[in-house]
Amino acid sequence: EVQLVESGGGLVQPGGSLRLSCAVSGFTLSTYEMHWVRQAPGKGLEWVAWISSSASAIYYADSVQGRVTISRDNAKNSVYLRMNSLRAEDTAIYYCARAGLDREVTTGSFDLWGQGTKVIVSS
Amino acid sequence: DIVMTQSPDSLAVSLGDRATITCKSSQSVLFSSNNKDYLAWYQQKPGQPPKLLIYWASTRESGVPDRFSGSGSGTDFTLTISSLQAEDVAVYYCQQSYSTPLTFGPGTKVDIK
Repeated sequence: EVQLVESGGGLVQPGGSLRLSCAVSGFTLSTYEMHWVRQAPGKGLEWVAWISSSASAIYYADSVQGRVTISRDNAKNSVYLRMNSLRAEDTAIYYCARAGLDREVTTGSFDLWGQGTKVIVSS
Repeated sequence: DIVMTQSPDSLAVSLGDRATITCKSSQSVLFSSNNKDYLAWYQQKPGQPPKLLIYWASTRESGVPDRFSGSGSGTDFTLTISSLQAEDVAVYYCQQSYSTPLTFGPGTKVDIK
């Protein structure tokens, strides 16, 4: 089955760290760019980070730049998001998302999403 | 940053009627190299992750019912649900991928009248 499964979320104190994982199955991870997108409680969607298929290109939202690191291990079929110096405003569901391909051209859209992992930053 | 706006914030439509959502980007999202608008539409139901409906402004994702259609180019886009079904109650988001940071619209909530 083609799917993404996130893990690693939880309750963390302000200033703390977490490492989120996204396990992929049913497709060849090395073919795809991957993203993390988050959604604060009752709010809209916010793109967080993007990693190219070979990890040669990485981009971050300004809101997390310098505090977050996206990485991938294609051999382990996994994508990661390391988050440091967490703030209350980082509280959200974090989704791993696959960048869509149309005839081997990246569409810029997210065609596959995980169910998300919840991160709560609170003392 | 490209700012995405949507209207209306919410709408209620009778079953079987048309629902129309508009999305505007603060600058063009049309890539001249391939003549594609990097604009996507998503549907999100409560407690679920978003689901891709449309990419490149008008290309329907595989498996999406044909009552969903996208149109527009440049900075102005529309998502149309031609005949609203009960299962279409959701929040709909547009998203641009022309440039980083990738940005989403604030969402439009669609309900049954």
